[in-house]
Amino acid sequence: AQSVTQPDIHITVSEGASLELRCNYSYGATPYLFWYVQSPGQGLQLLLKYFSGDTLVQGIKGFEAEFKRSQSSFNLRKPSVHWSDAAEYFCAVGANNQGGKLIFGQGTELSVKP
Amino acid sequence: DSGVTQTPKHLITATGQRVTLRCSPRSGDLSVYWYQQSLDQGLQFLIQYYNGEERAKGNILERFSAQQFPDLHSELNLSSLELGDSALYFCASSVQGLGGYTFGSGTRLTVV
Repeated sequence: AQSVTQPDIHITVSEGASLELRCNYSYGATPYLFWYVQSPGQGLQLLLKYFSGDTLVQGIKGFEAEFKRSQSSFNLRKPSVHWSDAAEYFCAVGANNQGGKLIFGQGTELSVKP
Repeated sequence: DSGVTQTPKHLITATGQRVTLRCSPRSGDLSVYWYQQSLDQGLQFLIQYYNGEERAKGNILERFSAQQFPDLHSELNLSSLELGDSALYFCASSVQGLGGYTFGSGTRLTVV
């Protein structure tokens, strides 16, 4: 069965510190991978996506993610976190043979300490 | 503003009632998706429409139905509401298929 696992429910980092949010997926086909961010009371905003090619993907707001097929992972990173990055982050996976359906992980809530 | 408009933003209704949630996709987007977000289930895919036709279906209850109209707006109808239907309902749109959705800000449904 297709699934996405975000092992960390809640992470707290200090402002200026680096960040890595973990995402593991289980998918039979070649996955399309996404990271979204949700601020309180808001919808989800696409940070970045991976379809094929270079396994290191650059996104908005200084985020990047690396696809590692051997580990079935797509971890999100940022070298220096800003207080405004506090939000909930969702990893999602889809496949072209399933239309546009995405399967989302349970999310990781990021808190930023001053 | 993402360009995807959902109305109403909040809805409080009683058990057994029926409600309609509305979504206007971003200009030029042909696909509309509906998702339910709840604390216990997370984000769950409900249904996708592409240019007026149903394209994919998730674990959508039989009490729920949706449609996409010729002007591409979509409505999600929820009937015989139960307490457990209380959730955030998101609409998203895309040009076609995968590529990254644009989400609306959601409708928060509270069933009392």
